[in-house]
Amino acid sequence: AQSVSQHNHHVILSEAASLELGCNYSYGGTVNLFWYVQYPGQHLQLLLKYFSGDPLVKGIKGFEAEFIKSKFSFNLRKPSVQWSDTAEYFCAVNSGEGGYQKVTFGTGTKLQVIP
Amino acid sequence: GAGVSQTPSNKVTEKGKYVELRCDPISGHTALYWYRQSLGQGPEFLIYFQGTGAADDSGLPNDRFFAVRPEGSVSTLKIQRTERGDSAVYLCASSLRGSGAVASGANVLTFGAGSRLTVL
Repeated sequence: AQSVSQHNHHVILSEAASLELGCNYSYGGTVNLFWYVQYPGQHLQLLLKYFSGDPLVKGIKGFEAEFIKSKFSFNLRKPSVQWSDTAEYFCAVNSGEGGYQKVTFGTGTKLQVIP
Repeated sequence: GAGVSQTPSNKVTEKGKYVELRCDPISGHTALYWYRQSLGQGPEFLIYFQGTGAADDSGLPNDRFFAVRPEGSVSTLKIQRTERGDSAVYLCASSLRGSGAVASGANVLTFGAGSRLTVL
């Protein structure tokens, strides 16, 4: 069964610091990978996605993620964080396992950016 | 509609009561998902509908939980004999379609704001 592991539960950074959030998944076949973000008081929204092609994916607000198939990883990065990036970030995987597109989420990483 | 709409946004009930949570997906989205998010956890899959039928209900925790989507649009999640452990945010999401090629991109989930259920 597909599963997702996020290594960091809570990350605290100062503004302008660089960010990398780890994500590993367990499914060995073709996958779609996602990062969703939940800002305080708001609902989950898509940050970026990987379906195929270039493994370096660029999303909104300067975020990017790199799909490394050999490592089953899809880490999220941002060169310079802002206070407004304070949110909870969820990695998710969809493998088409079972013939349809069930999306499985990780437990999330809370990012706190200090001004 | 323009987005996924969930009602009520907040529901407080007493242990043992019956609760219904409603989800109105994006118009034209055939796939509908229910997730549950407890404090400090990621969204946990409950059930998936493709059209009117429940294609996968393997995430429903027990037979107190049931969901319907009679006309292939609005869905209702029903919880009988609620327990304190049912307290969570119940999230609904829809996507254009839930089946087909994995790389088709049709499975991007759009979430609603959730229904926060508190069982006293």
